[in-house]
Amino acid sequence: SAVISQKPSRDICQRGTSLTIQCQVDSQVTMMFWYRQQPGQSLTLIATANQGSEATYESGFVIDKFPISRPNLTFSTLTVSNMSPEDSSIYLCSVAPTDTQYFGPGTRLTVL
Amino acid sequence: QKEVEQNSGPLSVPEGAIASLNCTYSDRGSQSFFWYRQYSGKSPELIMFIYSNGDKEDGRFTAQLNKASQYVSLLIRDSQPSDSATYLCEAREGQNFVFGPGTRLSVLP
Repeated sequence: SAVISQKPSRDICQRGTSLTIQCQVDSQVTMMFWYRQQPGQSLTLIATANQGSEATYESGFVIDKFPISRPNLTFSTLTVSNMSPEDSSIYLCSVAPTDTQYFGPGTRLTVL
Repeated sequence: QKEVEQNSGPLSVPEGAIASLNCTYSDRGSQSFFWYRQYSGKSPELIMFIYSNGDKEDGRFTAQLNKASQYVSLLIRDSQPSDSATYLCEAREGQNFVFGPGTRLSVLP
């Protein structure tokens, strides 16, 4: 199994600012994943963070809005840039070994 | 666009009954299927996965897969109030993960 921690657990931010979310895994993994879960909705994959290469973004998500860093095999950050109220959501990171997927506890973001 | 569909619910069942949760997927290339439970305010947790057509049982849970019909289901036997949660279905092809919107289950004491 994998234990994943995220910081911050929640934040309230002003429109136009940026927030960086940190994700730490207790073991080395090749790929880490970032999701968004809007209120009452399911998980939407934002991007895949690969160590040593550029992140791969899903349709509808762009690097300028959601820059990702992956400095080593246990850590990743997701930045939500130039935030608007529509970015209010829960952001989760995950790792996906074969036959499962482990999620972090999530970061609850509210943008005013 | 690859899609996974689930009835949003809420699905209400009495304690001790069988809860049946259904999921359909659009991408025939999907190779593996996962069921997660998500309590309110918490992250999803894996219940079980299934690759092959037929049934797979794990304790009170049975997953059923029919690739011809592109249909996956989860049966929960002897439902308990602690099973009340949202259940997410995921269809996976390689590192391509697609989640359904989830079905909210309420088990009534």
